[in-house]
Amino acid sequence: DSGVTQTPKHLITATGQRVTLRCSPRSGDLSVYWYQQSLDQGLQFLIQYYNGEERAKGNILERFSAQQFPDLHSELNLSSLELGDSALYFCASTVGGTLSGANVLTFGAGSRLTVL
Amino acid sequence: GESVGLHLPTLSVQEGDNSIINCAYSNSASDYFIWYKQESGKGPQFIIDIRSNMDKRQGQRVTVLLNKTVKHLSLQIAATQPGDSAVYFCAELDPSSGSARQLTFGSGTQLTVLP
Repeated sequence: DSGVTQTPKHLITATGQRVTLRCSPRSGDLSVYWYQQSLDQGLQFLIQYYNGEERAKGNILERFSAQQFPDLHSELNLSSLELGDSALYFCASTVGGTLSGANVLTFGAGSRLTVL
Repeated sequence: GESVGLHLPTLSVQEGDNSIINCAYSNSASDYFIWYKQESGKGPQFIIDIRSNMDKRQGQRVTVLLNKTVKHLSLQIAATQPGDSAVYFCAELDPSSGSARQLTFGSGTQLTVLP
């Protein structure tokens, strides 16, 4: 158990729908990162939050949004879902806001989203 | 744009043999590299890292080699065990974004350990 908790583990929905993925970072970690992993693809960085504020944005679609709450948990909202959104969505956390040798990512087990 | 890629998508080795997983990176300014292991149904797990001012770093049964001249990174696993079967990702830390710098992951190599 990495200490990063993601729910739900599996989610099946239909095109056009909206889903919310939830992440609780490791105790003491202030930063949350969201990644998308499609079939046979590497991990694509979506967005980072640090202590409630957006820190960095990657290849996140406009249909997707995220936020980090005062208790530091984060939610990733995916709307107007398309078949191509089917993927594993990972959350990772770090203590600080800047990645470095002393501040590496700890990943959760992921949420598998299937869009039918 | 800059990218991190792996030479081979799959690698099969006999149990007990040594494994070598390779990775090429294109950003010569990258200053930090990490290898992650992802077992089926799990999230990526940190294995070992190396800074750009080093050529080699050893862990328990794993060694990472960095060749900055040819922008090549490798992960060596000694005496490969069935539990080593997983997808291995190299990741590169892009320093160009300053405090918002992010990891760029390669596409991964599937390591299968044969009995």
